[in-house]
Amino acid sequence: DTEVTQTPKHLVMGMTNKKSLKCEQHMGHRAMYWYKQKAKKPPELMFVYSYEKLSINESVPSRFSPECPNSSLLNLHLHALQPEDSALYLCASSQLAGGTNEQFFGPGTRLTVL
Amino acid sequence: QKEVEQNSGPLSVPEGAIASLNCTYSDRGSQSFFWYRQYSGKSPELIMSIYSNGDKEDGRFTAQLNKASQYVSLLIRDSQPSDSATYLCAVLPTGGFKTIFGAGTRLFVKA
Repeated sequence: DTEVTQTPKHLVMGMTNKKSLKCEQHMGHRAMYWYKQKAKKPPELMFVYSYEKLSINESVPSRFSPECPNSSLLNLHLHALQPEDSALYLCASSQLAGGTNEQFFGPGTRLTVL
Repeated sequence: QKEVEQNSGPLSVPEGAIASLNCTYSDRGSQSFFWYRQYSGKSPELIMSIYSNGDKEDGRFTAQLNKASQYVSLLIRDSQPSDSATYLCAVLPTGGFKTIFGAGTRLFVKA
């Protein structure tokens, strides 16, 4: 299995809602990532987990809260988002963090904040 | 500030031609270089990785790396309309966990 899966594919939420994005990989990778991508821009790194521990938080606002329950799962909890947070949210994984480790992306969750 | 620069394009080539995509990076110590293809509305897909100076070939794709010039390129031979996409150059600095992406080059292959 060489796939990273993400749910849901699409999410529409109001600014007062709480929702979660989910990511799963079964490749035995020990590094997982959250990226945000706006239209016609490259992916922007949000968080890196290495061996289920948060290694990098790119100064992301606290309304985004990551969680790594185990080596295969990565969640992103959303609360009190703003319309400018509307974007494609991408999960990726790699065997290890850094080095020559190739990152593989999931299909993404298209988030719209009303 | 570590940077990766690409020509945003669009780059337009006829079907069957060679498409040449270029990328420069600022961190001389970078060790790992990747090319991703991203179709409109889809997620990035890894197509090539290269770590040593020289060429690396995989089917119709050839990645070229010149660390002295801080330059990495992707050649697509016998371009097909299905190759029309945005190509993202990505660089991982030495000892870092953060991959730096270029802005991407849009490629159009005309049938």
